[in-house]
Amino acid sequence: GAGVSQSPSNKVTEKGKDVELRCDPISGHTALYWYRQSLGQGLEFLIYFQGNSAPDKSGLPSDRFSAERTGGSVSTLTIQRTQQEDSAVYLCASSRTTNTEAFFGQGTRLTVV
Amino acid sequence: EDQVTQSPEALRLQEGESSSLNCSYTVSGLRGLFWYRQDPGKGPEFLFTLYSAGEEKEKERLKATLTKKESFLHITAPKPEDSATYLCAVQGIGAGSYQLTFGKGTKLSVIP
Repeated sequence: GAGVSQSPSNKVTEKGKDVELRCDPISGHTALYWYRQSLGQGLEFLIYFQGNSAPDKSGLPSDRFSAERTGGSVSTLTIQRTQQEDSAVYLCASSRTTNTEAFFGQGTRLTVV
Repeated sequence: EDQVTQSPEALRLQEGESSSLNCSYTVSGLRGLFWYRQDPGKGPEFLFTLYSAGEEKEKERLKATLTKKESFLHITAPKPEDSATYLCAVQGIGAGSYQLTFGKGTKLSVIP
């Protein structure tokens, strides 16, 4: 497809379990972002990847959160030992270069029960 | 730290009633200001990028403008299908970070 693809679209997990969220960016886009959107809140920055540079991890809320980007393309966001406050929509976006518009996927709705 | 404040939080318009949404921002230096539209249950959809004060962009019934402190999204003769949450984001020049800082959005409802 031509857009950013995220999977799964919905995920329900038990508190304490680990989850992996996947993002396939637009082909050729060098920059990739992860954001979190909680109910009624704005988009919260989590992490940013640009090419082969070290990622900007300044937005990760705790060491339970980690992300990687393999081969400059697909990215995986991992949340270990999930907590109820982790429930949110996790959005991935990609952009062609560092200061051009970012295009978002449809998001993964994570519910921790 | 970059900051974005959007107002109003919510806006109800009659079909055809033009209005403007405001995005005030604070950045050490602006790389770009971005407007997005978000429908319920969907990811944000890109609308406009503005890079410098005085710049304007238009698309159908929408027009975005930029000053050194704020941006406006003008909606002319809106239709019900324009109902959505409109998000503003800035990308600042700071410590090499390219993150986008978003406002909380303006929820627009256009009544037939």
